[in-house]
Amino acid sequence: AQSVTQPDIHITVSEGASLELRCNYSYGATPYLFWYVQSPGQGLQLLLKYFSGDTLVQGIKGFEAEFKRSQSSFNLRKPSVHWSDAAEYFCAVGAGRDDKIIFGKGTRLHILP
Amino acid sequence: EAGVVQSPRYKIIEKKQPVAFWCNPISGHNTLYWYLQNLGQGPELLIRYENEEAVDDSQLPKDRFSAERLKGVDSTLKIQPAELGDSAVYLCASSSGLTSYNEQFFGPGTRLTVL
Repeated sequence: AQSVTQPDIHITVSEGASLELRCNYSYGATPYLFWYVQSPGQGLQLLLKYFSGDTLVQGIKGFEAEFKRSQSSFNLRKPSVHWSDAAEYFCAVGAGRDDKIIFGKGTRLHILP
Repeated sequence: EAGVVQSPRYKIIEKKQPVAFWCNPISGHNTLYWYLQNLGQGPELLIRYENEEAVDDSQLPKDRFSAERLKGVDSTLKIQPAELGDSAVYLCASSSGLTSYNEQFFGPGTRLTVL
């Protein structure tokens, strides 16, 4: 069965600094990969997804993620964070026949002014 | 376009009491999901509906949890009786496709506290 690991529970960065959130997955074949963001009091929102093709995926709000098969990773990046990016970020993986996506435990992003 | 609506937003009950959560998905979305989110965890699927049919309820604790989606639109999730360990956020999501890999749109959730 597929699984996903987000090694960092909390990440703190200064406003304007670059960001990278880590995500590692476990699955034998090419998985479907997602990043969702959950702002306080709000539902989860899809930032981007990878199914196939170009391994660098562009998403909303200036985020991008890169699929690296050799490292089983799908890290989320943003070149310059804004205070409004403070939220919880969830990586998720789905795999073929199960038709079910599994969420990681999330990484809470804190922004320093 | 209105998003996924859930009510109530917060619920506090005593253990052994029943509780129900309601979800109205985005208009036209035929797939509806109920997730459980414990503190510090990601969402975990409880049940998925395609129209009015429950196509995946393998993770739903059927001894105390039940769900319905009459007429394939809004849905109700019920717990009877509630236990202390049921304290969590219950999320509803919907999507327009018949696969979980389409974008899921989430409601704000219902935060349940069982005393």
